[in-house]
Amino acid sequence: AQSVSQHNHHVILSEAASLELGCNYSYGGTVNLFWYVQYPGQHLQLLLKYFSGDPLVKGIKGFEAEFIKSKFSFNLRKPSVQWSDTAEYFCAVNARDYKLSFGAGTTVTVRA
Amino acid sequence: GAVVSQHPSWVICKSGTSVKIECRSLDFQATTMFWYRQFPKQSLMLMATSNEGSKATYEQGVEKDKFLINHASLTLSTLTVTSAHPEDSSFYICSALGSLLHFGNGTRLTVT
Repeated sequence: AQSVSQHNHHVILSEAASLELGCNYSYGGTVNLFWYVQYPGQHLQLLLKYFSGDPLVKGIKGFEAEFIKSKFSFNLRKPSVQWSDTAEYFCAVNARDYKLSFGAGTTVTVRA
Repeated sequence: GAVVSQHPSWVICKSGTSVKIECRSLDFQATTMFWYRQFPKQSLMLMATSNEGSKATYEQGVEKDKFLINHASLTLSTLTVTSAHPEDSSFYICSALGSLLHFGNGTRLTVT
């Protein structure tokens, strides 16, 4: 079974700062990778996903993630955050079907 | 807008009673739906895969007799927590698979 590790539990930063959230997974085979965001009081929303091809994936709201196969990593980045990026961010992996394994989540707080 | 409707959004019940949670795909058909459970400050844990017209597939450690899943139509799956106990208090989230995986807003269950 695959597992997902998110390095940071809580990240606090100021507006316009750059954001990088780490995600590592353990699975030896082919995987699909996802980042989801959960804004306060809302449902999970897909930020971006990687299935194959270019390992640098661009998502919505200015987010991007890079898949580094040799490091089993799929880190999320945003060059300049806004107050509205305050949310919970989840990395997820699936090896088959859509049975996702989620990381523990990272709470991002952006201070105005 | 939301494409997966989960109802109720929160419920309080007494120990020993049963609670039914509904998950509806609003504008697409979902032959497969997933039920997750999220404990505070923890990740989403997959409980079971719900397949329309067939028995649900439960993950290891999930009691199928306690968490009854019914997927009677292509747009509705229900999760019934039977004989609820305080330790069943949690956040339950469903997702429905169409062209993408969409999540419901979740149901906060509190068992007193």
